[in-house]
Amino acid sequence: DAKTTQPPSMDCAEGRAANLPCNHSTISGNEYVYWYRQIHSQGPQYIIHGLKNNETNEMASLIITEDRKSSTLILPHATLRDTAVYYCIVSARIGGYQKVTFGIGTKLQVIP
Amino acid sequence: KAGVTQTPRYLIKTRGQQVTLSCSPISGHRSVSWYQQTPGQGLQFLFEYFSETQRNKGNFPGRFSGRQFSNSRSEMNVSTLELGDSALYLCASSSGQGTYEQYFGPGTRLTVT
Repeated sequence: DAKTTQPPSMDCAEGRAANLPCNHSTISGNEYVYWYRQIHSQGPQYIIHGLKNNETNEMASLIITEDRKSSTLILPHATLRDTAVYYCIVSARIGGYQKVTFGIGTKLQVIP
Repeated sequence: KAGVTQTPRYLIKTRGQQVTLSCSPISGHRSVSWYQQTPGQGLQFLFEYFSETQRNKGNFPGRFSGRQFSNSRSEMNVSTLELGDSALYLCASSSGQGTYEQYFGPGTRLTVT
C-alpha cells in the first residue's frame, strides 16, 4: 500500500476553512484517496474519497493535485464539532479486496 | 438506514480467557472488516469478510479469528487473552464493491486484567 504523510497536528479558528494536507508521493494509478475522521472514543467516520478529480460533498471538499502526489481536505467553515483526528488513506481494490492502512493522522483542534 | 452496531460496547476479561465480539453491518452491505485500535499502535487491520469468506487478513496471531454469517453479521473471537489485547475493537461495513468506502461502528472497548 502507498504510504501517506500528514502533519501530526493543526489548529483552526472556528468559522474559518480548515485545510488538511496529505502527501502520497508513491500512489499508484489505481489507488483512491480516502479521508476519514475520528472524534475521541468514537469509530472513524468516512468523509470523502477521490481518484484524480476534485470532489465535494456536504461535509468537505477534496483537492487532488494533477500529479496525484498530494491532496488537501477542506472543511469550509470549521466548527468545534470538527475537532478530531483526520486520516488520509490511499488504497485500491486488488483481487477483489481492499486493504486499508491507517497512519497516525492529523489531530485538528478547532479553536473558538 | 441503521448504522453499524457492535455488541457489547464494553467488556472486562481476565488473562487467559476468550472473548467473542459481534458486529451487524449496514443493511445490504456484504463486507465486514475488523480493526484493533490501541494508543501505541493506532488503528490496525485484523481481517475482512465478504459473503462469509475471509478475503483479507492483517498481521495478527492465530488467536484472533472471525467469521461471517449468511446475513452478513460477523463475529470476532480472541482466545487466550493477553494484557496487550486490551484495545478498542472496531468493525467497519462496506458494500464490498465499487470504491469501497467503509462505515465504522462505535467499537467494543475490551479490557484484559
